[in-house]
Amino acid sequence: GENVEQHPSTLSVQEGDSAVIKCTYSDSASNYFPWYKQELGKGPQLIIDIRSNVGEKKDQRIAVTLNKTAKHFSLHITETQPEDSAVYFCAAIATNAGKSTFGDGTTLTVKP
Amino acid sequence: GAGVSQSPSNKVTEKGKDVELRCDPISGHTALYWYRQSLGQGLEFLIYFQGNSAPDKSGLPSDRFSAERTGGSVSTLTIQRTQQEDSAVYLCASSLKGGANNEQFFGPGTRLTVL
Repeated sequence: GENVEQHPSTLSVQEGDSAVIKCTYSDSASNYFPWYKQELGKGPQLIIDIRSNVGEKKDQRIAVTLNKTAKHFSLHITETQPEDSAVYFCAAIATNAGKSTFGDGTTLTVKP
Repeated sequence: GAGVSQSPSNKVTEKGKDVELRCDPISGHTALYWYRQSLGQGLEFLIYFQGNSAPDKSGLPSDRFSAERTGGSVSTLTIQRTQQEDSAVYLCASSLKGGANNEQFFGPGTRLTVL
């Protein structure tokens, strides 16, 4: 089955700096890679996703890159703000499967 | 419109008792997922419904866990003879159609504590 590893487990940055979270996956059949943000006491919320036919995707301060050959993908947040503080999860999914495999999460703290 | 709702939000039970957790997906969403999130851990997949059928039950940790979905809408996750290691947040998500490459919308979760 799929195995997703996420690093780092915790990340602390100064407001305005960039933050990068990395994930690797094992199943070459995986072709959809969403990123979720989870705030305290709430369910995860999709913030950005990427499909295997794309190498990079941007949405304002958030970007995701995908290297299918190396089986890794990364989340980049620029100009971080205190409200970016949350737990971020990556996931790897095969299109024809119902199962999503999540990383263990990264707790991001943005210090004002 | 209304998002995914789950009830109860918190449940405290004694070891050995049965519990039922409920998920109301977004209206019209055909796919429904259950996950378990232990403290400080990622999301552990439990089961996936497409309509009322469950093509993938591979994540259910033991035969004490079962889930059903009726009318293509509400789903119930049942844990029988609860154990302390069952303590976790149980999250439900739904997506518009099947195939995992559709955005999943998560509910707020049910925090289960087994004493």
